[in-house]
Amino acid sequence: GAVVSQHPSRVICKSGTSVKIECRSLDFQATTMFWYRQFPKQSLMLMATSNEGSKATYEQGVEKDKFLINHASLTLSTLTVTSAHPEDSSFYICSARPAGRTTEAFFGQGTRLTVV
Amino acid sequence: KQEVTQIPAALSVPEGENLVLNCSFTDSAIYNLQWFRQDHGKGLTSLLLIQSSQREQTSGRLNASLDKSSGRSTLYIAASQPGDSATYLCAVRPSNNDMRFGAGTRLTVKP
Repeated sequence: GAVVSQHPSRVICKSGTSVKIECRSLDFQATTMFWYRQFPKQSLMLMATSNEGSKATYEQGVEKDKFLINHASLTLSTLTVTSAHPEDSSFYICSARPAGRTTEAFFGQGTRLTVV
Repeated sequence: KQEVTQIPAALSVPEGENLVLNCSFTDSAIYNLQWFRQDHGKGLTSLLLIQSSQREQTSGRLNASLDKSSGRSTLYIAASQPGDSATYLCAVRPSNNDMRFGAGTRLTVKP
């Protein structure tokens, strides 16, 4: 149980386009989902926290108009990178916290985004 | 602000050795601490989760300890194997809403 599916696993896009990444909890309902990004050889950095049905909370320095997060259901959150630039190339990982379980979160497999 | 540090940044050992990875955090007020494994370019695999009230957790050849008062955790890997080669991440949950990760220790186990 507690599987989180992230799609796509890899994506290459052109500068100026938008890319949507999906994060699904397959066998549980997730009231809270988190989005992280990871640059090579660096730690995961929390970008934003999303709660189902409400606006995401962004960490300092993360542009909310550039990284659009939608958590429209208890099993799906999406991250859209708008007007992508090469410096947005990174590894993006989501995690989902099961409803009623506040001490654990489960991670997706990540999405490697390359902007050319 | 909670900061998590992992030492060493990289470690190379011959197969069969026992090894210890270290993690330290600056604020002892945490909900739990979790160790993950990340294979190159892949997602995270949870290895061990230690609640704040616990002192250690064991799974197979892995043992993780937690000393909240000193802000330290260790991950002990017994009888290392080449398949253990990966980056190991330590993460603490300083509040109910997020996790703070260390930069990881890149482990190479040589046959």
